[in-house]
Amino acid sequence: AQSVTQLDSQVPVFEEAPVELRCNYSSSVSVYLFWYVQYPNQGLQLLLKYLSGSTLVKGINGFEAEFNKSQTSFHLRKPSVHISDTAEYFCAVSDRGGYQKVTFGIGTKLQVIP
Amino acid sequence: NAGVMQNPRHLVRRRGQEARLRCSPMKGHSHVYWYRQLPEEGLKFMVYLQKENIIDESGMPKERFSAEFPKEGPSILRIQQVVRGDSAAYFCASSPPNVAGNTIYFGEGSWLTVV
Repeated sequence: AQSVTQLDSQVPVFEEAPVELRCNYSSSVSVYLFWYVQYPNQGLQLLLKYLSGSTLVKGINGFEAEFNKSQTSFHLRKPSVHISDTAEYFCAVSDRGGYQKVTFGIGTKLQVIP
Repeated sequence: NAGVMQNPRHLVRRRGQEARLRCSPMKGHSHVYWYRQLPEEGLKFMVYLQKENIIDESGMPKERFSAEFPKEGPSILRIQQVVRGDSAAYFCASSPPNVAGNTIYFGEGSWLTVV
C-alpha cells in the first residue's frame, strides 16, 4: 500500500515569486508519481507525471517536479507564479506493477497574492 | 473527443433518499474509478470498475453504497438512504485499458448535498 504526505495545507506566495509544494510518498514497491491541479468547483487536471527516465519532469503551465528516490520526494516547483495559479494541488502515486489505482495526498492550497 | 462526463453536477437530497451519480468515460476508455472528496480530506479512492466487473471496491463503505459499469451506458454510483455525512464531491475518472502509468482523466465532479 502506498501513502502520500503533503506537508503544507496552504501556501501563500506573492505574484512572480517562486514556489515549491512539497510531497513525500511511501511505498514498498516502485511507483509512478503525479501532480494534479484542481480549480474551484472543477475536476482534477494532470500537471505532470514521472514514469521513468530523467528525474526532472516538466509539465504544463510552467511547473516542474523532481523525483528524488532516496528522499522519497516529488516536490513541485514554479520559478514565477501567476494569479491564475491559485488552486489546490494534489500529489499522487500509483504502483508500477498494479493497475491504475491512484492514491492522493490531502492537497495543498496555493494562494497567489497580487 | 469529449472528456469524462458526470451528471448531475449538483444534487440535493433529503436524508433517507437515494442518490444516483452517473459517469460516462472518455471514448475508448474501459476503466472507471470513483473518488470522494470531503472538505479538508483530499480525494479518497472508492471503487475501480471495468465493463460489467468490479475490480477493486476496497474504498467503498460497506453499507448503502454500490457501483456498477454495465456493458451499455454510463457507470452509476448509487447511495441509498443518504445521511448528512455523505455530502461531498464525487469524482469519476477513466483511463484506457490497463497499462500502469497511464493518466487517468477526471470529470468535473458531482456535488451531493444532503439536507
